[in-house]
Amino acid sequence: IAGITQAPTSQILAAGRRMTLRCTQDMRHNAMYWYRQDLGLGLRLIHYSNTAGTTGKGEVPDGYSVSRANTDDFPLTLASAVPSQTSVYFCASSGTRNTEAFFGQGTRLTVV
Amino acid sequence: KNEVEQSPQNLTAQEGEFITINCSYSVGISALHWLQQHPGGGIVSLFMLSSGKKKHGRLIATINIQEKHSSLHITASHPRDSAVYICAVRPSGFGNEKLTFGTGTRLTIIP
Repeated sequence: IAGITQAPTSQILAAGRRMTLRCTQDMRHNAMYWYRQDLGLGLRLIHYSNTAGTTGKGEVPDGYSVSRANTDDFPLTLASAVPSQTSVYFCASSGTRNTEAFFGQGTRLTVV
Repeated sequence: KNEVEQSPQNLTAQEGEFITINCSYSVGISALHWLQQHPGGGIVSLFMLSSGKKKHGRLIATINIQEKHSSLHITASHPRDSAVYICAVRPSGFGNEKLTFGTGTRLTIIP
């Protein structure tokens, strides 16, 4: 692994199903973030973590949960997917909360 | 009014032209990021700056803190520069968890 990796790259999901988007980084970055990108709205923060063991809510947290059991992994879970969660999801990380951010390749999620 | 406004929204130019993309913001900031997103691709950080100017290859980013304005310039543009360019600001006193993003400028360079 080099940098930050997301999985899966794309997924079609039935409404009501549970889904976890995976994010792993090998840069030993303390801070990690989950964004969604929707046409005409730009990137919006869902949840973040400034260090392992802590998480915080972003701009659009409803319907999503995260965990940060260790430095490398920051999974995003949709407990019961709804069509409005159809979006492209990006995971990002930074060394500290004030340094350059590195982004994953994105996960395209379609909820039907 | 969005806190971060980019202009133009779309830009088409001929190969070799000098390109300027603008970003204006309405809050006090500690840093501004320029990002690049290729079609169907991930997001790459180009610059993070808090004052003055930075240069990387054919890309130049400038910021005027007093005027709350930043520009991204591309010299000798090439079709591979075709992408969406996104400006994001970090409000003063906060970390990247408070980044506010513009909606992007779609650049198309025609051979």
